[in-house]
Amino acid sequence: DTGVSQNPRHKITKRGQNVTFRCDPISEHNRLYWYRQTLGQGPEFLTYFQNEAQLEKSRLLSDRFSAERPKGSFSTLEIQRTEQGDSAMYLCASRKGFTEAFFGQGTRLTVV
Amino acid sequence: QKEVEQNSGPLSVPEGAIASLNCTYSDRGSQSFFWYRQYSGKSPELIMFIYSNGDKEDGRFTAQLNKASQYVSLLIRDSQPSDSATYLCAVGSNFGNEKLTFGTGTRLTIIP
Repeated sequence: DTGVSQNPRHKITKRGQNVTFRCDPISEHNRLYWYRQTLGQGPEFLTYFQNEAQLEKSRLLSDRFSAERPKGSFSTLEIQRTEQGDSAMYLCASRKGFTEAFFGQGTRLTVV
Repeated sequence: QKEVEQNSGPLSVPEGAIASLNCTYSDRGSQSFFWYRQYSGKSPELIMFIYSNGDKEDGRFTAQLNKASQYVSLLIRDSQPSDSATYLCAVGSNFGNEKLTFGTGTRLTIIP
């Protein structure tokens, strides 16, 4: 499978715990995006990378969220001290240059 | 004003008719425009992209872009029940800062 891969697909965690999600983009895609989507809403931008550089981070994103993309390949999104409001689908997308972006299957996070 | 606006619907269209979905955006410097289809519980799937003013056709789908009016639309001809989904409009910002911003989506229902 050469598409965008996200792991895990589902994550249930207790409030206050830390979670980490992984995204493997399509090979040679230099741009990688993280979005969060809640029911009935469009994907909300969180952050994006061009190669290993994090070029923009949403000002709506609290300091509990951090993302990395070491070596410009896979990326991780970590949420510290999870809250119930963090429950959502976390989507990763990648693109090459200014071409179309392709999404992974998403990671559904439930904070209990 | 939201950066990307869509009518949330629901939009109901009889099978075989033309479905028309609309999107407006606020950033005049936007350069790339995308339509994604999202089935319930799934991640967005790219169906069309357009960069230049005018129409772009791909099978039953036609994307229309009018940069002067900051308007992009998607027409679906010969609508099928399988077209029932939420359609997301995404806009890429200026070259050099290619954040993709999504609208909230329009829920389309094709009535057999």
